[in-house]
Amino acid sequence: AQSVTQPDIHITVSEGASLELRCNYSYGATPYLFWYVQSPGQGLQLLLKYFSGDTLVQGIKGFEAEFKRSQSSFNLRKPSVHWSDAAEYFCAVDTGGFKTIFGAGTRLFVKA
Amino acid sequence: EAGVAQSPRYKIIEKRQSVAFWCNPISGHATLYWYQQILGQGPKLLIQFQNNGVVDDSQLPKDRFSAERLKGVDSTLKIQPAKLEDSAVYLCASSFIWTQGDTGELFFGEGSRLTVL
Repeated sequence: AQSVTQPDIHITVSEGASLELRCNYSYGATPYLFWYVQSPGQGLQLLLKYFSGDTLVQGIKGFEAEFKRSQSSFNLRKPSVHWSDAAEYFCAVDTGGFKTIFGAGTRLFVKA
Repeated sequence: EAGVAQSPRYKIIEKRQSVAFWCNPISGHATLYWYQQILGQGPKLLIQFQNNGVVDDSQLPKDRFSAERLKGVDSTLKIQPAKLEDSAVYLCASSFIWTQGDTGELFFGEGSRLTVL
């Protein structure tokens, strides 16, 4: 069955430091891949998506992600974290039929 | 452009009572989803509509949950009777019909938080 794994339940980084959130998926073909962000009390917002072409994709708010087929990974990165980036981040996969499944999420804490 | 609207934002009920959640998707979005998000977990798809037809309801507990999308626009999710484990945030999302060569971004509402006592 298709699945999405986010190994880190929570991560703490200092403001200004770099960030990498991990995501691994299990799927037979190349899926459509997404990262969403959820701020407290709000719905999810799309950060970026990959479906073909360049394996390094740019998103909003300075985020980027790299698709690595050999590792079945789609890790999210940001060079310099801002306090406003504190939120929960979800990796998601579309497995066809317009069906999107989500990982369990990684909560990001930013310390001053 | 108006976003996905959901109501109520918060609901507290006792077990065995019933509750209904309403969702109005973004205008023109053919696909509508209901997700259940339990605290500390990622959203889990309950049901997916394409216009007013059900595409996937394989994870909907049909003995207690029901959903409809009349006229292919608004949708209602009902729980009857509620159990303690139904305490969660119920997220509604919508998207365009995917076309070849493009992907479908999900647009989410703010969610309806249900507490079952």
